[in-house]
Amino acid sequence: KAGVTQTPRYLIKTRGQQVTLSCSPISGHRSVSWYQQTPGQGLQFLFEYFSETQRNKGNFPGRFSGRQFSNSRSEMNVSTLELGDSALYLCASSSSLRGGHNEQFFGPGTRLTVL
Amino acid sequence: ELKVEQNPLFLSMQEGKNYTIYCNYSTTSDRLYWYRQDPGKSLESLFVLLSNGAVKQEGRLMASLDTKARLSTLHITAAVHDLSATYFCAVDNTGNQFYFGTGTSLTVIP
Repeated sequence: KAGVTQTPRYLIKTRGQQVTLSCSPISGHRSVSWYQQTPGQGLQFLFEYFSETQRNKGNFPGRFSGRQFSNSRSEMNVSTLELGDSALYLCASSSSLRGGHNEQFFGPGTRLTVL
Repeated sequence: ELKVEQNPLFLSMQEGKNYTIYCNYSTTSDRLYWYRQDPGKSLESLFVLLSNGAVKQEGRLMASLDTKARLSTLHITAAVHDLSATYFCAVDNTGNQFYFGTGTSLTVIP
């Protein structure tokens, strides 16, 4: 079974630009979560989508948004990029419904550098 | 907001020695996960602990969960160099919203 895939793997952008990251979950998984990993803040939850609906949201500004398509693939978008948005963005997929066992499987990540 | 604390943050240990990483969390949960991350890589799932008293073992690693104490431990037995990595615990109390610990960077010295 193929794992979680993320594209692109590396991105370099400048301040003020916007960026879109893509994530394809494991086949059959309907939940996709996004995390930001930085040396200073560690791993922080951005949002989770299930069946095309945002089910949970972390404490990030509105510049961070996402969506999920009918095939469970997900995208996240960051607008008006700031230097502090430089991070590794990780996508995770899981198969379970709310309240159940939710082991998450992580993709390789997208390394975003904002100059 | 749920807080997850790990200690130590950095651990340097000699091959063959034993050590324990601790993960404390601030609110009731009976779902705790351990992950491993190698430099520049993603997170690899190690253990899933779903009830009080749960104990899982894989090779030289053993994880346990005490939900009453809000504590999980990751015990390393007879460390080898291949175990060098950063280890994270994560708690899930709302369903698919993981709160991660700060991570423990483990270096095993020959």
